[in-house]
Amino acid sequence: DVKVTQSSRYLVKRTGEKVFLECVQDMDHENMFWYRQDPGLGLRLIYFSYDVKMKEKGDIPEGYSVSREKKERFSLILESASTNQTSMYLCASSRTSGRAGELFFGEGSRLTVL
Amino acid sequence: QQPVQSPQAVILREGEDAVINCSSSKALYSVHWYRQKHGEAPVFLMILLKGGEQKGHEKISASFNEKKQQSSLYLTASQLSYSGTYFCGTPGGSNYKLTFGKGTLLTVNP
Repeated sequence: DVKVTQSSRYLVKRTGEKVFLECVQDMDHENMFWYRQDPGLGLRLIYFSYDVKMKEKGDIPEGYSVSREKKERFSLILESASTNQTSMYLCASSRTSGRAGELFFGEGSRLTVL
Repeated sequence: QQPVQSPQAVILREGEDAVINCSSSKALYSVHWYRQKHGEAPVFLMILLKGGEQKGHEKISASFNEKKQQSSLYLTASQLSYSGTYFCGTPGGSNYKLTFGKGTLLTVNP
């Protein structure tokens, strides 16, 4: 069974803290993504990576960075968390096929910044 | 650019039909549909690649009109299990990324 695993389902952090959200996939997928989900706004792409050490900004990259040192792992970093980053964060992966393919999502990490 | 979904929400009784629309101001080459049940991860339903192509998943089908830059998702004889938020996604500037609409919340009542 294919799997995308996010390390933490729920996190509570304080303003200014550095936050790491980890995502691991076991499908040998080339592409990995971080989306943010907020009520009424849908799924918005923060960053994605199409290869190890490669990354591209999505639609809302401000305040975030990412790291992909290994093919199976994609980390989202909030250098200095702020209250407006309170949200549900979804990681996804897909196979490269010359076009946007089926995304496999993790269960999500709900982050609350106080 | 984010595709526009309509309606934002729909409430059905079991057995009724529904249509969810997804439109874009930019040329579309493909449309993806996902469903997210409450508290769960979004799950892939189907990809539509060609103009007018239709696909089916259970009793859910979809059409894609590239000239009109829109896709419609048809839910026939809805079941309780169809409840959830439906998202359409369209490829963005990169070949790999998807830009999703804001979603349509579908509630099916007994």
